[in-house]
Amino acid sequence: QVHLVQSGTEVKKPGASVRVSCTASGYIFTDYYIHWVRQAPGQGLEWMGWISPDSGHTNYAQKFQGRVTMTRDTSLATAYMELTNLRSDDTAIYYCARPTDYLNWFGPWGQGTRVTVSS
Amino acid sequence: QSVLTQPPSVSGAPGQTVTISCTGSSSNIGAGYDVHWYQQLPGKAPKVLIYGTRNRPSGVPDRFSGSKSGTSASLAIAGLQAEDEADYHCQSYDRSLSGSQVFGGGTKLTVL
Repeated sequence: QVHLVQSGTEVKKPGASVRVSCTASGYIFTDYYIHWVRQAPGQGLEWMGWISPDSGHTNYAQKFQGRVTMTRDTSLATAYMELTNLRSDDTAIYYCARPTDYLNWFGPWGQGTRVTVSS
Repeated sequence: QSVLTQPPSVSGAPGQTVTISCTGSSSNIGAGYDVHWYQQLPGKAPKVLIYGTRNRPSGVPDRFSGSKSGTSASLAIAGLQAEDEADYHCQSYDRSLSGSQVFGGGTKLTVL
């Protein structure tokens, strides 16, 4: 069974950085991209980008370019999302998700990581 | 501001049918890209209900159905049940945003 397990809650000050991890199990990690999606309180879902665990190639949403870095450690079957220069409007739950097929619909999701940015 | 537009809320009585719309543009839904729908219960991660515009994963009741016309897609929920009360999100691909997935703003379904 496929599982994505994320790191725990983070509280950060404005201007700081946060790194969220997503550890995969139940499938070959390098066979599927990992996407990151966030959800601000009371808001909809917002796509942030993807990483290919095989090649390390990334594609970021324009909104986050320059502030987000997605990496992976294949030996740990873990993907990471780092967001820098945090602002209060980065307060959100951050999810990793794995596409199920070429249509890029997300079957497995991580449980979410709550990131709070507050002075 | 989400690229795909959904109504903030819809409601219906048990047993009724409700429809949630997802309106895009000629660079996403109107360009022929598939739409996927997710149900999100409070405090939980989203769960796919419909993929590829009209397909249901195993385990999703056939009360849920998806369709698309022009630049819009719809999710219909028939025989409304109390446990259907949740947030619903649509997703598609947008060719103008270099490989981007896009979501709607989400719709809160209330079962009266």
